[in-house]
Amino acid sequence: EDQVTQSPEALRLQEGESSSLNCSYTVSGLRGLFWYRQDPGKGPEFLFTLYSAGEEKEKERLKATLTKKESFLHITAPKPEDSATYLCAVRTGFQKLVFGTGTRLLVSP
Amino acid sequence: DTEVTQTPKHLVMGMTNKKSLKCEQHMGHRAMYWYKQKAKKPPELMFVYSYEKLSINESVPSRFSPECPNSSLLNLHLHALQPEDSALYLCASSSVAYRGQTDTQYFGPGTRLTVL
Repeated sequence: EDQVTQSPEALRLQEGESSSLNCSYTVSGLRGLFWYRQDPGKGPEFLFTLYSAGEEKEKERLKATLTKKESFLHITAPKPEDSATYLCAVRTGFQKLVFGTGTRLLVSP
Repeated sequence: DTEVTQTPKHLVMGMTNKKSLKCEQHMGHRAMYWYKQKAKKPPELMFVYSYEKLSINESVPSRFSPECPNSSLLNLHLHALQPEDSALYLCASSSVAYRGQTDTQYFGPGTRLTVL
């Protein structure tokens, strides 16, 4: 059965304190791994798509990396506005996404 | 532009009401999705339309009825809902590539539904 596990469940950082979020997956055939950011009561906002092991993508203070079993979302020098829930999802089959339960990030000033 | 719009933003309905949620995208995407999200949980897939045809129904109760009138619009008709159906309903869209494989899904802001 396809599974996606995110850790930690919640993370509290001080402004400027860099850290990483983990997404480990067990799928029969990876057809893409996606990172989204979600603010409370709003729809997920697309961040990155990764397709193959070794791939890396960056956007402002965020950097996503992918191995054969997991993906990391590195947050460098976070700011309070980076506070959100970060969701990882993998595509299984041609159309379905399997989501992890998310990591709730709180960045304090 | 990667915008998906949803109306209404909020909806309160009784268990005997009939209402509809609407979703629109103008990115030329040919796959559209409905998800349901409960508080502090990830989105759960309900339906997928590909080229205006229903391709996936995740065993959703018949009180939820999807409709895709054209390639830009997606509706979700609601009838005789239960209080446990209260949730954030999300619409998403994506392009369809080689052999029907879909690309990145872009989500709308959601409709907050409360069933009394």
